[in-house]
Amino acid sequence: QVQLVQSGAEVKEPGASVKVSCKAFGYTFTTHAIAWVRQAPGQGLEWMGWISANNDNRNFVQGLQGRVSTTTDTTTSTAYMELRSLRSDDTAIYYCARYNRGDSACDYWGQGTLVTVSS
Amino acid sequence: QSALTQPASVSGSPGQSITISCTGTSTDVGNYHLVSWYQQHPGKAPKLLISEVTKRPSGVSTRFSGSKSGNTASLTISGLQSEDEADYYCCSYAGYSIYVFGTGTQVTVL
Repeated sequence: QVQLVQSGAEVKEPGASVKVSCKAFGYTFTTHAIAWVRQAPGQGLEWMGWISANNDNRNFVQGLQGRVSTTTDTTTSTAYMELRSLRSDDTAIYYCARYNRGDSACDYWGQGTLVTVSS
Repeated sequence: QSALTQPASVSGSPGQSITISCTGTSTDVGNYHLVSWYQQHPGKAPKLLISEVTKRPSGVSTRFSGSKSGNTASLTISGLQSEDEADYYCCSYAGYSIYVFGTGTQVTVL
């Protein structure tokens, strides 16, 4: 069955960087893009952006451009999201999700990775 | 891009029907037939309930249904059950390969 497994929780200081991984199982990785969504503690979901599985297209919200980098490794069916110059308001659970272009929706989600930014 | 507007909370008794609204603008909800709905239980990842306004993925209960009129989309839960108690989020395509989520609605089963 389709499964997305994310890396473990991270604690970072302000100004540092964090890299979250998302390994896909149960489908052909190159057939679907990966979306990234975050959720601050007690808050709602926030769309961050997406990357095509073969790395040739990506689009992230304007507020994150310049601080976020994404890549995929098709040999290991893994997507990565790196966020730089971390601030306290980046503290959130970061989710990866399989983006189903045909339905324009995220049909399978990872378990989430808690990133805490604190000095 | 501003978040879509949802009521903070909606409640109903077991067996009743409830409707959650999701109001956007003519640049997102009103301009595309690309609204999805997600259910999120506490401490869990979101789960897709509805895509493209009305489409229900395999395995999702027929008690969940979606609709749209103008700039407002809606999710209806019929035959409310205790396991429906969760947070619900709408999401709409907003152009330029960007999506926007709703503010979220907490559903309580009385």
